Amino acid sequence: GAVVSQHPSRVICKSGTSVKIECRSLDFQATTMFWYRQFPKKSLMLMATSNEGSKATYEQGVEKDKFLINHASLTLSTLTVTSAHPEDSSFYICSARNQGGLRNEQFFGPGTRLTVL
Amino acid sequence: AQKVTQAQTEISVVEKEDVTLDCVYETRDTTYYLFWYKQPPSGELVFLIRRNSFDEQNEISGRYSWNFQKSTSSFNFTITASQVVDSAVYFCALSAAGSNYQLIWGAGTKLIIKP
Repeated sequence: GAVVSQHPSRVICKSGTSVKIECRSLDFQATTMFWYRQFPKKSLMLMATSNEGSKATYEQGVEKDKFLINHASLTLSTLTVTSAHPEDSSFYICSARNQGGLRNEQFFGPGTRLTVL
Repeated sequence: AQKVTQAQTEISVVEKEDVTLDCVYETRDTTYYLFWYKQPPSGELVFLIRRNSFDEQNEISGRYSWNFQKSTSSFNFTITASQVVDSAVYFCALSAAGSNYQLIWGAGTKLIIKP
């Protein structure tokens, strides 16, 4: 149980295009999902906290117009990288908190590797 | 403020050696949780352990063991008889009410097991 999927697992796009990444909780409902960014050889950096039915809370320094987050249902959150540029290339990881579970517990997706040419 | 320090950037050992990964944390919360995750080259995080602040008992799971010491604010991870498949980046993380249970991550330790 507690499986989180991400799609796509890998994406290569041209500079200026927008890319949407989906994060789904497959066997539980997630009122809260988190989006992380990981640069090569670095730790995870929290970008934003996504709550179902409300606006996401972005961490300091993260451009909300650049990284659009939508959490329209209890099992799906999406991250859209708008007008992507090479500096947006990174590994993006989502996690989900089970609605009926422990607040300190997050289940992680497998990650999406974005390469912007 | 919450903080997690993994001072070892990279460790390289020969297979079958024991290896300990250090983790030191800072928090003012009395209730908190400590985690270890493994990140193999594929990138997918693998959950290893969660420990709450009220449980200082050491834990052993196969070749893995964890030593939690509140007196030194440390939560060290030991792999006994290491194997090549243990090669990965290992992250220590902290979660507490003071940070709304967001995970505070250490910088990670890259473990290389040579055959």
